[in-house]
Amino acid sequence: RKEVEQDPGPFNVPEGATVAFNCTYSNSASQSFFWYRQDCRKEPKLLMSVYSSGNEDGRFTAQLNRASQYISLLIRDSKLSDSATYLCVVNHYGSGNTGKLIFGQGTTLQVKP
Amino acid sequence: EAQVTQNPRYLITVTGKKLTVTCSQNMNHEYMSWYRQDPGLGLRQIYYSMNVEVTDKGDVPEGYKVSRKEKRNFPLILESPSPNQTSLYFCASSFGLSAGELFFGEGSRLTVL
Repeated sequence: RKEVEQDPGPFNVPEGATVAFNCTYSNSASQSFFWYRQDCRKEPKLLMSVYSSGNEDGRFTAQLNRASQYISLLIRDSKLSDSATYLCVVNHYGSGNTGKLIFGQGTTLQVKP
Repeated sequence: EAQVTQNPRYLITVTGKKLTVTCSQNMNHEYMSWYRQDPGLGLRQIYYSMNVEVTDKGDVPEGYKVSRKEKRNFPLILESPSPNQTSLYFCASSFGLSAGELFFGEGSRLTVL
């Protein structure tokens, strides 16, 4: 089982739609969580951190369920510019407390006019 | 401008010809890391460095070397490249993993014939 798993998609949605991505992680010792966005052939960039209480940034809402070990990202009122791959990232603190960022393989979103 | 700079951005080489991909950051970050990204496999960590003269293996270190003689530079060395090292490579840096945000370079697309 992969440490961080995402449905690769692609998710094809019309403009204005609401779309949700889920991500599951296998290690219960994971301590912090993030969503990154990667445009085609470009570098990943941090979209938002995911806090235990859930957090919102404009049209984007991230939630964490520690008991079930999953993270979600909700995008409301999708725009054409939201088309990208969304990477779920988990920070796992192992022995030595050095930490390690583990990336999911990404979920591709295509927003169509 | 705060940035991570990789060179070369594109390279086609032949099996066995040693090459170095340079990475430099101007943000005084302590943590630096190299990833490779392959279709269906996502981002996989090759090597990372917590600080000057401190490096450690990631998940796929075979066939690669790194060094961290200065804080700003973290070159990736392929002593004898093979076709299975054809990939998209990203260098990234951060103040520390607890902060969560990794700043990525634009990527280096390497083809080994």
